[in-house]
Amino acid sequence: NAGVMQNPRHLVRRRGQEARLRCSPMKGHSHVYWYRQLPEEGLKFMVYLQKENIIDESGMPKERFSAEFPKEGPSILRIQQVVRGDSAAYFCASSPRGTGDGTQYFGPGTRLLVL
Amino acid sequence: GQSLEQPSEVTAVEGAIVQINCTYQTSGFYGLSWYQQHDGGAPTFLSYNALDGLEETGRFSSFLSRSDSYGYLLLQELQMKDSASYFCAVRDMDSNYQLIWGAGTKLIIKP
Repeated sequence: NAGVMQNPRHLVRRRGQEARLRCSPMKGHSHVYWYRQLPEEGLKFMVYLQKENIIDESGMPKERFSAEFPKEGPSILRIQQVVRGDSAAYFCASSPRGTGDGTQYFGPGTRLLVL
Repeated sequence: GQSLEQPSEVTAVEGAIVQINCTYQTSGFYGLSWYQQHDGGAPTFLSYNALDGLEETGRFSSFLSRSDSYGYLLLQELQMKDSASYFCAVRDMDSNYQLIWGAGTKLIIKP
């Protein structure tokens, strides 16, 4: 049973470009979460999605950031017109239940570097 | 506001026992989770406490006191591979049940 998959593992973008981060949840999981982590810091919640629905996007900046989880295919976190401050590790997690026992299974992350 | 406090770094000796504390201040506490993260890796779930008391899973145990807004992670028989960062995270009802994370405790293990 494959775990949570994320790609790419590393992404380099110049300021103003777009970044697309992909996440495939564990088999049987329909709940996906995106987090951002800066060096030496904890994770910051960004957005929570179920298939075809955004449930909670309270942690995601209103501008330039968007997320989707289509009926078919991976969840996508999209950052438009990237700036240097977007450089961070972006982790995706999945769970079989949305508000269960706090168990989330994390992917290996995408390290985004904006030059 | 919501906040979690945990030490930034703890040092221990291989084979010893270490306790990593976490105090929290949240308006809608629902449960406390612990995660382990190795450098460059992904967080890995360790434990979850919703009720007061001690939960044991092998060499790792986690404790919660809701009245004290306090929990800890206990690691026994430390091994070098336990060197990692450990995060406490609160599931908070007033934040749509999302996880609010502490800044992490870096555990350094010496031979």
